[in-house]
Amino acid sequence: AQSVTQPDIHITVSEGASLELRCNYSYGATPYLFWYVQSPGQGLQLLLKYFSGDTLVQGIKGFEAEFKRSQSSFNLRKPSVHWSDAAEYFCAVGGNFGNEKLTFGTGTRLTIIP
Amino acid sequence: KAGVTQTPRYLIKTRGQQVTLSCSPISGHRSVSWYQQTPGQGLQFLFEYFSETQRNKGNFPGRFSGRQFSNSRSEMNVSTLELGDSALYLCASSEGPGQPQHFGDGTRLSIL
Repeated sequence: AQSVTQPDIHITVSEGASLELRCNYSYGATPYLFWYVQSPGQGLQLLLKYFSGDTLVQGIKGFEAEFKRSQSSFNLRKPSVHWSDAAEYFCAVGGNFGNEKLTFGTGTRLTIIP
Repeated sequence: KAGVTQTPRYLIKTRGQQVTLSCSPISGHRSVSWYQQTPGQGLQFLFEYFSETQRNKGNFPGRFSGRQFSNSRSEMNVSTLELGDSALYLCASSEGPGQPQHFGDGTRLSIL
């Protein structure tokens, strides 16, 4: 069965500091991996996706993520956070051919301090 | 292109009632999925439709059902509502298999 673990429930960083959100997955085949962001009262916005190819993927809003098969990880990074990045971030696996179901992690809430 | 549209945004019902939620996907998208989001269980997959056929179903009781119309719009129905059905219900659409899912802002359902 597929699963996603986001070990950090809540992270606080200073504005301008770098950010790394952790994600570990379990999947029987080559995974499709995603990061989504959710602001209060909103739906989920797709930040980036990994299907195949280059293991470092670029997304919107200056985010990037690196797929590491050996570690079953897909960590999200940003070199310098902005106050507007405060939100909840979800890692997800699935959504590939024949398995459109997305399995989400429990999310990481990001707080930005001035 | 307009995004995924869900209506209504907020809904209040009482136990035992039934409810229908609506989702209009992004134009050209043929796959529609539904998810339930609660503080306790997080984001859970309900079901997925493609070309009016349900292809995947999550572990929810039969009170939860859905359908998709020929224009790809989808509805989700919950019968005999329980307090535990209070949640944010999210709809997502994609062009098809292997394509990323794009989410609407959800319908917040509260059961009194």
